[in-house]
Amino acid sequence: DVKVTQSSRYLVKRTGEKVFLECVQDMDHENMFWYRQDPGLGLRLIYFSYDVKMKEKGDIPEGYSVSREKKERFSLILESASTNQTSMYLCASSPFEGTDTQYFGPGTRLTVL
Amino acid sequence: KQEVTQIPAALSVPEGENLVLNCSFTDSAIYNLQWFRQDPGKGLTSLLLIQSSQREQTSGRLNASLDKSSGRSTLYIAASQPGDSATYLCAVTGGDMRFGAGTRLTVKP
Repeated sequence: DVKVTQSSRYLVKRTGEKVFLECVQDMDHENMFWYRQDPGLGLRLIYFSYDVKMKEKGDIPEGYSVSREKKERFSLILESASTNQTSMYLCASSPFEGTDTQYFGPGTRLTVL
Repeated sequence: KQEVTQIPAALSVPEGENLVLNCSFTDSAIYNLQWFRQDPGKGLTSLLLIQSSQREQTSGRLNASLDKSSGRSTLYIAASQPGDSATYLCAVTGGDMRFGAGTRLTVKP
């Protein structure tokens, strides 16, 4: 079975802090994704990556950056956390672009005070 | 830009009832459509994947249909159980994957 893990289930940070969210997949997938999920808005794509050291902006990249130094690991970075970044963050991976299912991690509930 | 809508936002039914969840999308140029389940505070689990050339997929008590021309999909759950209580999301894949906001289902014993 594909396993996607996220470093924390719950995280509380203060405004202005630098925050790292880590995601690891164990199936050698090329593609990895970061979403945020907010009530009534569904999942919105922040960034994705099709290969090591490659990244593409999604719909809402402002205030975020990403890093993919190894194929299995995709990190989401909040350079200076703000209260409007309080959300559920979901990581996903997939073996092929566009046509295949994505496998999701358990999510990280981030609260910025 | 693809928009995905799920109605209703919430649904409550008694145990044993058959039910239908609805998903609509604006652009019919899709590769596939998926239905996911999400339990509170958890990630998404894929339930059914329908390729654009298919009309439906079945898994156990679940049946999903796809009508690309009308931009609609339905998820049919037969003989609902309390364990089916969760949020159900549909997602369409074209150049990227777009999600609906979900339908929160409660099945009462």
